This record gives sequence, C-alpha cells and structure tokens, in this order.
Amino acid sequence: GIQVEQSPPDLILQEGANSTLRCNFSDSVNNLQWFHQNPWGQLINLFYIPSGTKQNGRLSATTVATERYSLLYISSSQTTDSGVYFCAVSNTGNQFYFGTGTSLTVIP
Amino acid sequence: DSGVTQTPKHLITATGQRVTLRCSPRSGDLSVYWYQQSLDQGLQFLIQYYNGEERAKGNILERFSAQQFPDLHSELNLSSLELGDSALYFCASSRGGGATQYFGPGTRLLVL
Repeated sequence: GIQVEQSPPDLILQEGANSTLRCNFSDSVNNLQWFHQNPWGQLINLFYIPSGTKQNGRLSATTVATERYSLLYISSSQTTDSGVYFCAVSNTGNQFYFGTGTSLTVIP
Repeated sequence: DSGVTQTPKHLITATGQRVTLRCSPRSGDLSVYWYQQSLDQGLQFLIQYYNGEERAKGNILERFSAQQFPDLHSELNLSSLELGDSALYFCASSRGGGATQYFGPGTRLLVL
C-alpha cells in the first residue's frame, strides 16, 4: 500500500500563531484529502486537493503531486483548531491510506 | 452535522460475540467506506461499496463482513469478537468513488 507520513507529530501553538503541516506519500496518487478530528472524535473534511492550491478562510492547502507531498497551512490559529489533522491518499479513489496525523493544541 | 448517521453510538459486548454496525449515507451519496480507528493502528481502511457493489477491500479481517443494501445503507458485521477489536468504527460516504468523503460520528466498540 501507499505509505503516508505526517509531520510534525505534535504541535503546540499560542492562539494567533501560524503553522504548516506536512504530508508525504510514497506513490503517485490521484486523490488527497485533509481531515480534522476534533476533540470529540468527529472527522471533518477540510480539503479535497489531489493537486494545486485551495483556500478556505484561515486554512489553505497545497499539493505537489509530482513531488509527493501536501501542505496544510493554518493561519491565526484559534483554540477551536485543536485536534488531530489527517491526510488521506488514494491512487484508485476506492482504497484510502491515512497518515498517523498531526496533533495540534492551541493555547489561549 | 455531516449528514451521515451511524448506530449505535456505543456498544459494549463480550469476547466471542457478534455485533452489527449500521451506517446511513448522506442523501445522494452512492459510495460508503468503513474505517477502524484504534490507538495502535491509527485509521485503517476496511472496505468500500459503491451502489451496492464491493469496490475495494483493505485490512478487513475474515471475521468481519459488510454489505450495502438497495436503499444504500450499509452494515458492518463483526463476529467472534476479540479484545483487540475494541476501537472506533467510522463510516464515510461520498457521491462516487474518490469524491470528498463525509464521516459519520462513529461507533465506539468495547469488547470485554
């Protein structure tokens, strides 16, 4: 299967700070999605981004498929951004491989 | 609220037992995915269905089986349960294979 590595594994930020989360993958993919798992366990889709750049409010993501990585940018972080961020990839659109996640804690 | 529903929310059972987890996808979504999330294994893909047909199978044990019904809801059956099967089981749905996935709230299974 496709190996997915996320870094850093843990991140602690002061409210208002910016951060960059990285996702590296071991094979060509045609599907990449970023998810946020909040402290209550709910998984929320942030971006569907197999290539290119997208922005949604304070969040943006860039995927460079040819170099097999994706970045998730969080600007002006808020305490509600706390949780675990997962990257998931697929090269079939059917079976998905998740990274181990980046655990983010935003301190007021 | 993602629009994906899962029942039950919590399940406590004993080793050797069998349970059924249920998932109703978002209206209009044809694809259903099942995932297992445990502390030591992370999020693992189990199986995917599209419009009633199995499309992909991941790390799903032979003791586990699933199906998608004509009304598009799906069930995951876990049998001969072991302590190690304790985990959070998520269902996700999407318009088609490869589209944006929307996750349900999960079923937390505890096997004693």
